[in-house]
Amino acid sequence: SQQGEEDPQALSIQEGENATMNCSYKTSINNLQWYRQNSGRGLVHLILIRSNEREKHSGRLRVTLDTSKKSSSLLITASRAADTASYFCATDSRAGGGADGLTFGKGTHLIIQP
Amino acid sequence: ETGVTQSPTHLIKTRGQQVTLRCSSQSGHNTVSWYQQALGQGPQFIFQYYREEENGRGNFPPRFSGLQFPNYSSELNVNALELDDSALYLCASRPDRTHEKLFFGSGTQLSVL
Repeated sequence: SQQGEEDPQALSIQEGENATMNCSYKTSINNLQWYRQNSGRGLVHLILIRSNEREKHSGRLRVTLDTSKKSSSLLITASRAADTASYFCATDSRAGGGADGLTFGKGTHLIIQP
Repeated sequence: ETGVTQSPTHLIKTRGQQVTLRCSSQSGHNTVSWYQQALGQGPQFIFQYYREEENGRGNFPPRFSGLQFPNYSSELNVNALELDDSALYLCASRPDRTHEKLFFGSGTQLSVL
C-alpha cells in the first residue's frame, strides 16, 4: 500500500517559475525523503528531512515538514527545462525499525515549459 | 551516477515462467532493497537484505524471493509469473540498515505476456 499522496498529480509551469508540490502521509515517521525520476528509470535522492526538522534547503530545493498535519512540501525555485521529471515523496515509518522499506507516494509529474 | 547497476534493462516473459533480475551495488553497501513500480505508480517495497539475510519484507507473496552475495551483488527471483507482475523493478542500496539516502539502479522493465 502507498502511504504518501502527492498533490498535484501533474504540474506544468513556465521555465523560471517556482514549482511547489505537496505530500501527505499517514503514520509516524523517522524521516521523509524526496526523489526524482526521469522517464520511468531509476530514482535519484534529492533531500531528506528528519521528523524533528521543519525546513531544509539544498540548492534550489526547499522542503518543509509539518508532522502535526502529516504533510510535506517541496519547492523548486527558478525552474529549468531539465527539472522536468516525476517527483516522489517517501517516508520511513517509525514503527518499521528500519526493516520495512520506504513507502512512496504516487508522484507528481512536473513539466517545465521552455 | 549512483554506482548501482541492474541487468537486464528490459525483459519479456510469458505467464507461468520464472525470472531472475540482477543488481550490483556500490562497494561497502551492505543493504540492498528491491522495489516494484507499476506504470503510473510509486515504487512498492518488496524486500530488503542486510549482509546476505532478508530482514524486511513488504506485502508480496513468497514467489518473490531474493539473494544477496558477499560481492555486493544481489538477485530478485520471481516464480510463476503473472500478468500483473509486469512492472519496473528497482534495486536500491545503502551502506547500513537505516533508511537514509537510497542509491537506485536504473531498473529492469519486465513485461509478462
